[in-house]
Amino acid sequence: GAVVSQHPSRVICKSGTSVKIECRSLDFQATTMFWYRQFPKKSLMLMATSNEGSKATYEQGVEKDKFLINHASLTLSTLTVTSAHPEDSSFYICSARNRGGTEAFFGQGTRLTVV
Amino acid sequence: AQSVTQLDSQVPVFEEAPVELRCNYSSSVSVYLFWYVQYPNQGLQLLLKYLSGSTLVESINGFEAEFNKSQTSFHLRKPSVHISDTAEYFCAVTPIGSASKIIFGSGTRLSIRP
Repeated sequence: GAVVSQHPSRVICKSGTSVKIECRSLDFQATTMFWYRQFPKKSLMLMATSNEGSKATYEQGVEKDKFLINHASLTLSTLTVTSAHPEDSSFYICSARNRGGTEAFFGQGTRLTVV
Repeated sequence: AQSVTQLDSQVPVFEEAPVELRCNYSSSVSVYLFWYVQYPNQGLQLLLKYLSGSTLVESINGFEAEFNKSQTSFHLRKPSVHISDTAEYFCAVTPIGSASKIIFGSGTRLSIRP
C-alpha cells in the first residue's frame, strides 16, 4: 500500500510556542489530506480537510488561526499548532488520498505534549 | 450526513476464541466501508474495505467483514484470535467520491486474554 510519513513522532514544547507537524506522501500524489486529533481512548476527530493548492476546510469548532494547515504540494501538508497550550496536548494523525482514490492512508501520528 | 456506531467500546476474549466487532452506519447516499486497526501509539492501518461486488471481504490476517445493506451493518469477525490481534479497531465510511471525508466510529478495543 501507499506510504504516508508523519514527522515528528513525538514532540514536547513549552507553552506559548508553535509546533509544526509534517505529513508526506512518499509514493503517490496526495490531492487530499486530512488532519485528525485523537484524545486518549477516543476516536479520531477530523480537524480539517485540505486539497492541494487550496485553503483548508476546517470542521466546526476547530480554530483555523490556531491550527494552521498548509498543503502547498502534492506530497506535503503541514499542521502548525500556534501558541500551544497544555490543552493542545494530544495525538495528531494525518492521512492522505490521491485523486480518484477510495481509501486514505495514514501517517504514524505525532504525540504532542505541551508543558 | 453520515454516522458510524460501534456499540462495543471494549471486547475481551480468550485467545483462539472467535470474535465479532459490530459496526452500524447511517447514510443517505452510497458509501464505501472500511475497518482500520490501530496499535498503541501508532497511526491507523487499513484492515479491509468494501467498495462493491461481493459483500464478504477478507483481510490477509484472517479477519473478514460482511456488508449488509438492509441492516446497514459491516461487522468484523475472526474465527480464532491471537494475542497479536490486541488493538483498537475503527469502522469508517466515506461517501462515494474522492473528495469526501472519512467518518469514523468511536472504536472498539479488542483485548485478548491468554
